[in-house]
Amino acid sequence: AQSVTQPDIHITVSEGASLELRCNYSYGATPYLFWYVQSPGQGLQLLLKYFSGDTLVQGIKGFEAEFKRSQSSFNLRKPSVHWSDAAEYFCAVGALYNNNDMRFGAGTRLTVKP
Amino acid sequence: GAVVSQHPSRVICKSGTSVKIECRSLDFQATTMFWYRQFPKKSLMLMATSNEGSKATYEQGVEKDKFLINHASLTLSTLTVTSAHPEDSSFYICSARDPGLPTQYFGPGTRLTVL
Repeated sequence: AQSVTQPDIHITVSEGASLELRCNYSYGATPYLFWYVQSPGQGLQLLLKYFSGDTLVQGIKGFEAEFKRSQSSFNLRKPSVHWSDAAEYFCAVGALYNNNDMRFGAGTRLTVKP
Repeated sequence: GAVVSQHPSRVICKSGTSVKIECRSLDFQATTMFWYRQFPKKSLMLMATSNEGSKATYEQGVEKDKFLINHASLTLSTLTVTSAHPEDSSFYICSARDPGLPTQYFGPGTRLTVL
């Protein structure tokens, strides 16, 4: 079964600074990888996903992520953080052929300083 | 596209009563929907997988008689918390799977408080 590790529980960055949120996965086959964002009291919004092809994936809100098979990583990046980006971020790994086999990381809470 | 709604967004009930939460995919048909539970400052815990026209598949440790799931149409799944107790208080989130790809789209969540 697959698993996801988000090593950073909480990250604080200054507004305008760059951001990188780490995600490592464990899966025996080709993974399907996702990043979701959750604002307090809200559901999850899909930021981006990787299935195949170009390993650098562009998402909404200026986010991107890079799939690195050799490092089993799928880190999320943004060149310049805005105060509205403060939220909880979840990395997830899924399988195409298994209906319910999608696993979430523990989440990383992002705080943005003015 | 890919909008999922949940109703109600917030519910307060007395201990021993039952509460029904609806999850709807508004602009696509979802043969598979999922129900998650989220504790404060925690990740999502998958409770069950809801398949249209068949019985739900529950994760280990989730009581199927307590958390009743019905997926009667391709756009609606319901979760009924029966005989609710204070320990059932939580944030419940549903998702619907894109039929073509392994992508889940999430509803806004339902905050359940059992007094």
